[in-house]
Amino acid sequence: GIQVEQSPPDLILQEGANSTLRCNFSDSVNNLQWFHQNPWGQLINLFYIPSGTKQNGRLSATTVATERYSLLYISSSQTTDSGVYFCAVVNRGGGATNKLIFGTGTLLAVQP
Amino acid sequence: DTGVSQNPRHKITKRGQNVTFRCDPISEHNRLYWYRQTLGQGPEFLTYFQNEAQLEKSRLLSDRFSAERPKGSFSTLEIQRTEQGDSAMYLCASSPRGRGDNNEQYFGPGTRLTVT
Repeated sequence: GIQVEQSPPDLILQEGANSTLRCNFSDSVNNLQWFHQNPWGQLINLFYIPSGTKQNGRLSATTVATERYSLLYISSSQTTDSGVYFCAVVNRGGGATNKLIFGTGTLLAVQP
Repeated sequence: DTGVSQNPRHKITKRGQNVTFRCDPISEHNRLYWYRQTLGQGPEFLTYFQNEAQLEKSRLLSDRFSAERPKGSFSTLEIQRTEQGDSAMYLCASSPRGRGDNNEQYFGPGTRLTVT
């Protein structure tokens, strides 16, 4: 099946710093979503971005589907950005279910 | 719209007991998913409903697990004869009747199960 790898696995930032998280996937995808999982376990939708570039406040994301990767940019990081960031994809050859395959996650800690 | 809701939020049970979780999707979302997340891992797909039809089950879903979605609204996930390995966060997601491949999934807060 499709493999989804995220890097870096862990990241420590000082408040105000910028960062780039990467998601690589091994096959064609129909759907790609970025999530932030807060300390209580809630998955918060950040972007639905199977291709192209989107921006939402201090966050932006770019997916280059032909090269099988996506990037999540966090600018001017805040302590509330801490948590785990997941990339999840729907494999184009995965049938009609549209189930999400999650990456390994990036654990981000923003220090004041 | 209040989003996807799940009940209970936490469940502690003794090994061998049966447990049932409930998920209420976003209204008018016809697609409903169950995932399981263990500590330090990303969520893994368990099963999928389109309306009331269960269309796919992961091999992770042993015969002790059963899921239903009567009338295509809320869904329940039951685990019989729980084992310690069942301890995990159980997440429910729903997505709209999208056009083409539009299938953005929205997750509930999860039910954290602890089997002692």
